[in-house]
Amino acid sequence: AQSVTQLGSHVSVSEGALVLLRCNYSSSVPPYLFWYVQYPNQGLQLLLKYTSAATLVKGINGFEAEFKKSETSFHLTKPSAHMSDAAEYFCAVSRGNEKLTFGTGTRLTIIP
Amino acid sequence: GAVVSQHPSWVICKSGTSVKIECRSLDFQATTMFWYRQFPKQSLMLMATSNEGSKATYEQGVEKDKFLINHASLTLSTLTVTSAHPEDSSFYICSARSGLGNIQYFGAGTRLSVL
Repeated sequence: AQSVTQLGSHVSVSEGALVLLRCNYSSSVPPYLFWYVQYPNQGLQLLLKYTSAATLVKGINGFEAEFKKSETSFHLTKPSAHMSDAAEYFCAVSRGNEKLTFGTGTRLTIIP
Repeated sequence: GAVVSQHPSWVICKSGTSVKIECRSLDFQATTMFWYRQFPKQSLMLMATSNEGSKATYEQGVEKDKFLINHASLTLSTLTVTSAHPEDSSFYICSARSGLGNIQYFGAGTRLSVL
């Protein structure tokens, strides 16, 4: 069975500050890992994915995430927060072409 | 990028009526489509997985007779909420995955309000 844990249901950062959203996974086989963003009343948009290639993955909107097997983590970062980054972020894991298992989400608030 | 269109975006219906939600992959063929339900400020709960031309696979606890899923073509899946009741009010999101990869592309969601 696979699972993801997102530490911190709500994160607030100042505009221009570093964004760090935490995700730890549990998987019995090498996982595929994803970060999605959801804006209010909208579906999910893929930010980035890890599929066993490079461990540092760059995504859209300046986000990146690093796969650390020793720590079973896949934290999402962005060097400088922008007001438009305010949204809900979901980490997800899958095993190949199997279904996605989502974390409980982290709501990111940007303080002007 | 791959686009998934979901319609309608918002629907209000009376208790006891049925509502159909459509999910279309616009620029790729979706061999597999997924239907999720999301409660306010919560994560996505997978309801069912549908493969084109075959019966949907429902997650435990999801009533297949209440949530009818049809995946008649490689670009269209529908979810019908039958005899809707207020407790069915929720945000329903579909996603589609092509046979070439493992990425799910999501629709914009449908907010269902049952009066």
